[in-house]
Amino acid sequence: QVQLVQSGAEVKKPGASVKVSCKASGYTFTGYYMHWVRQAPGQGLEWMGWINPNSGGTNYAQKFQGRVTMTRDTSISTAYMELSRLRSDDTAVYYCARDLRIAVAAIPGPWGQGTLVTVSS
Amino acid sequence: DIQMTQSPSSLSASVGDRVTITCQASQDISNYLNWYQQKPGKAPKLLIYDASNLETGVPSRFSGSGSGTDFTFTISSLQPEDIATYYCQQYDNLPLIFGGGTKVEIK
Repeated sequence: QVQLVQSGAEVKKPGASVKVSCKASGYTFTGYYMHWVRQAPGQGLEWMGWINPNSGGTNYAQKFQGRVTMTRDTSISTAYMELSRLRSDDTAVYYCARDLRIAVAAIPGPWGQGTLVTVSS
Repeated sequence: DIQMTQSPSSLSASVGDRVTITCQASQDISNYLNWYQQKPGKAPKLLIYDASNLETGVPSRFSGSGSGTDFTFTISSLQPEDIATYYCQQYDNLPLIFGGGTKVEIK
């Protein structure tokens, strides 16, 4: 069965960077786009972007352009999301989510368990 | 960006009730609309994709309909385990946008 296991909670200071990992299993990692979505405390869902694990191609939401970098390591079926120049309002749970369909980036299907990133001085 | 307006933002219903949530897009998105369930402290779970297709393993009491700009999500008979927040999400255009969510509680 599809499993996405994310790295553990992080506490960072303003201005620092954080890198969250998402290890995939149970399917062909390079066949499905991976989305990243975040959720601030008590708030709704915010899509950050996707990565094509096959090509490494990415598409980022404009809000995060210049601060977010999505990468992958196909040898270990792991996707990464790095967010730089952290601010207090970046405090959120960050989720990876595999697309439902092969080679399409539209429907975040199976989700990871989430990684809480806290930004505090 | 496309705006997604969900209503109501919260509702309270009795076990066995029919529950309906609506989602309106700011422009025509055809049927490129998904619905998610998020229980407290958990990751979202895809329930409905392409406006009306039930994801594998999802109980048949959940359903979705609509196209264009107006969509409906229905729980035909509310169960205690359905307590959650529900989100719509469009994928006609990037960025992917989620609605603001509807919190469903038991009366």
